[in-house]
Amino acid sequence: DIVMTQSPDSLAVSLGERATINCKSSQSVSYSSNNKNYVAWYQQKPGQPPKLLIYWAATRESGVPDRFSGSGSGTDFTLTISSLQAEDVAVYYCQQYYSTLGTFGQGTKLEIK
Amino acid sequence: QLPVQESGPGLVKPSETLSLTCTVSGGSIGSSHYYWAWIRQPPGKRLEWIGSIFYSGSTFYNPSLKSRVTISVDTSKNQFSLKLSSATAADAAVYYCARQLIGVYFDLWGRGTLVTVSS
Repeated sequence: DIVMTQSPDSLAVSLGERATINCKSSQSVSYSSNNKNYVAWYQQKPGQPPKLLIYWAATRESGVPDRFSGSGSGTDFTLTISSLQAEDVAVYYCQQYYSTLGTFGQGTKLEIK
Repeated sequence: QLPVQESGPGLVKPSETLSLTCTVSGGSIGSSHYYWAWIRQPPGKRLEWIGSIFYSGSTFYNPSLKSRVTISVDTSKNQFSLKLSSATAADAAVYYCARQLIGVYFDLWGRGTLVTVSS
């Protein structure tokens, strides 16, 4: 199985500041043949289901604010929130879908400092 | 009402079969663009993909659960279902149904349903 490891486990950022969450896969989740990175990012607020934010590592889902961005390739990926808003408090998960057995990171809890 | 919604017992006895149904109301389950998936999250643990089904009935299961899992689809009711046999305490989790773009990410999730395994 491909193991996805996120860092940090929790993060406190001031309103308006940048938040960065990292995700490392145990093997490459990028295909050179199609230049695609098989990573998605989800946001889960308390009492709500996960919500898709980013797919193909860097494509924002429709309706997701542009302060959310994704980057990375190979084994290292990053979710960045450029200017933290109060409504961004949540747990964030990365997921690889390179293998049929899609696997998730352990989650990063984002709070306001 | 969410476009996908889980239903089923919240309490299952050890060794019995956990059964859940997901009703799709946001479109046809017969779309050729999507799989329909079950994902679970045990308390304090990461999300775990259980398996997915295409409207034709083709299934894909997590190897670690394959011997105990059956996912089926009823296109006439726009529903798909999960059965997990021989339940143990380790199967206690919030169970989500979700729409999966063919073989890739999950773009729509149900609210989730908590299942406890206890006598």
